[in-house]
Amino acid sequence: GDSVTQMEGPVTLSEEAFLTINCTYTATGYPSLFWYVQYPGEGLQLLLKATKADDKGSNKGFEATYRKETTSFHLEKGSVQVSDSAVYFCALSIMEYGNKLVFGAGTILRVKS
Amino acid sequence: DTGVSQNPRHKITKRGQNVTFRCDPISEHNRLYWYRQTLGQGPEFLTYFQNEAQLEKSRLLSDRFSAERPKGSFSTLEIQRTEQGDSAMYLCASSPLEGLGRETQYFGPGTRLLVL
Repeated sequence: GDSVTQMEGPVTLSEEAFLTINCTYTATGYPSLFWYVQYPGEGLQLLLKATKADDKGSNKGFEATYRKETTSFHLEKGSVQVSDSAVYFCALSIMEYGNKLVFGAGTILRVKS
Repeated sequence: DTGVSQNPRHKITKRGQNVTFRCDPISEHNRLYWYRQTLGQGPEFLTYFQNEAQLEKSRLLSDRFSAERPKGSFSTLEIQRTEQGDSAMYLCASSPLEGLGRETQYFGPGTRLLVL
């Protein structure tokens, strides 16, 4: 079945450090890929997405590139801020299967000032 | 557009009681999804509707769970004879059926259930 694997956390960084959160997937069809973020006490928010191979999604300084050859969608940010502290979820959906989302387990990011 | 709303935000109940949660999607979104999230895990798909039709139910959804979307607008999720293992965050999301962005789901704040 379809699945998403993302690096375990927590990831602890100092402010202005470079961030990478790895995400790989297994899919039976052609997925769309997403990163969602969950800030403390809040609901899931879409951070960025990519719907086809080689697309790059970007938002708020974060970016991720859809790599079909390596089945990956790694999240990066050049300089993290304390306000980026949150849980990050990688997910996929396949239109032919109702677009239901399959999520990874989430990665906790803690940014220290 | 006020986004997806869910009520109640928190529910504490005793084992064996029935509970019902409500989700109001973004207006004109044809698709509505329910997910369950337990501590330290990503959300897991439970079921989804296209308009008023329930098109898929996960094997996670036991016979004690039932969901409805009677007029293709709001949806309810009922859990009968709750068990402690039902304690989780229940998330609702909606998306348009067609057009740009149809693959994107917008989430509500969730209903946190605690079964004592």
